[in-house]
Amino acid sequence: GENVEQHPSTLSVQEGDSAVIKCTYSDSASNYFPWYKQELGKRPQLIIDIRSNVGEKKDQRIAVTLNKTAKHFSLHITETQPEDSAVYFCAAVGRAGGTSYGKLTFGQGTILTVHP
Amino acid sequence: NAGVTQTPKFRVLKTGQSMTLLCAQDMNHEYMYWYRQDPGMGLRLIHYSVGEGTTAKGEVPDGYNVSRLKKQNFLLGLESAAPSQTSVYFCASRASGGVNTGELFFGEGSRLTVL
Repeated sequence: GENVEQHPSTLSVQEGDSAVIKCTYSDSASNYFPWYKQELGKRPQLIIDIRSNVGEKKDQRIAVTLNKTAKHFSLHITETQPEDSAVYFCAAVGRAGGTSYGKLTFGQGTILTVHP
Repeated sequence: NAGVTQTPKFRVLKTGQSMTLLCAQDMNHEYMYWYRQDPGMGLRLIHYSVGEGTTAKGEVPDGYNVSRLKKQNFLLGLESAAPSQTSVYFCASRASGGVNTGELFFGEGSRLTVL
């Protein structure tokens, strides 16, 4: 089955700096890679996603890159702000025709702290 | 439009007791999931369903059972609760989509304590 590894587990940056979180996946049949943000005591919410036929996607201060050959993808946050402090999760979804069809597997999470 | 609703939100059980967590979604989503979240362990998939009447095992299925008799409901059962099942449980759903994409919508979570 799919295995998603996420690093680092914690990340501390100064306001205005950039933050990068990296994930690797094991199932080459996975074809969709979302990122979720979870604030303390709340439910996770989607912040950006990327499909396997795209190498990079950007939405204002956040961007995601995907390297299918190496089976890794990354989240980039620029000009970080204190409100970016949260737990971030990457995930991978198995595609139709594969044994993990529809299965959505998360990484272990990264606690991001942005210091004012 | 309530989205994804979980009941109950809090529950305390004694070891060996049984209980069922109910998840209901009103978005006509095909896929539904049950995750548990423990400190430092992220979100681990217990069971999932790709459609009414179907279920599949996730990463940590032992000690849990599920049923998807109706498209809008996904039930998670604990037949004999153990302290190791103390956790926050999240239900989630998403549309199937033609290319297997789609935002995952989470419920508010259910905090379960097993004494």
